[in-house]
Amino acid sequence: GENVEQHPSTLSVQEGDSAVIKCTYSDSASNYFPWYKQELGKGPQLIIDIRSNVGEKKDQRIAVTLNKTAKHFSLHITETQPEDSAVYFCAASIHSNDYKLSFGAGTTVTVRA
Amino acid sequence: DGGITQSPKYLFRKEGQNVTLSCEQNLNHDAMYWYRQDPGQGLRLIYYSQIVNDFQKGDIAEGYSVSREKKESFPLTVTSAQKNPTAFYLCASSIEPVNEKLFFGSGTQLSVL
Repeated sequence: GENVEQHPSTLSVQEGDSAVIKCTYSDSASNYFPWYKQELGKGPQLIIDIRSNVGEKKDQRIAVTLNKTAKHFSLHITETQPEDSAVYFCAASIHSNDYKLSFGAGTTVTVRA
Repeated sequence: DGGITQSPKYLFRKEGQNVTLSCEQNLNHDAMYWYRQDPGQGLRLIYYSQIVNDFQKGDIAEGYSVSREKKESFPLTVTSAQKNPTAFYLCASSIEPVNEKLFFGSGTQLSVL
């Protein structure tokens, strides 16, 4: 099955700096890559996603890049703010009739004021 | 407001006891899912249901059972056969019976007394 590895496990950044989280996946058939943000005591919330036919996608201060050849994708957060502090999960899936969504272990991001 | 409601927020289980976690959604979503979250690990799929009266095992179904008698409800029972039940349990739903754009509830923390 699909194996998703996520790095780093923790990330501390100064407010206003950028944060980058990287994920690698093992199954070259994977074609959908979402990112979820989980605030303390809450369920994860989808913040951005990308499909394998696109190399980059941006939504305000967050962006995701995908390198299919190397089988890795990254989340970029620019101009970080205290409310960006959370746990971020990447995931990879194969769009098919069967359910296959594999999550990374998560990255705890702390934005220092 | 539309969303997914999980209850209770905290639950304690005694040895040999079955407990049931509630998950209700008013989003009119076809698919519903149960995930288990352990510290430092990614989300692991327990069971999922693509349609009423049908459900499939996920990666870690042993010791758990579910039912899907109504579109809105997908309760999870943690049986006494689950020897390590302490975890944070997340329910999710999606519009289509595939694994894209999951909407999560706020979770239930289950602990063993």
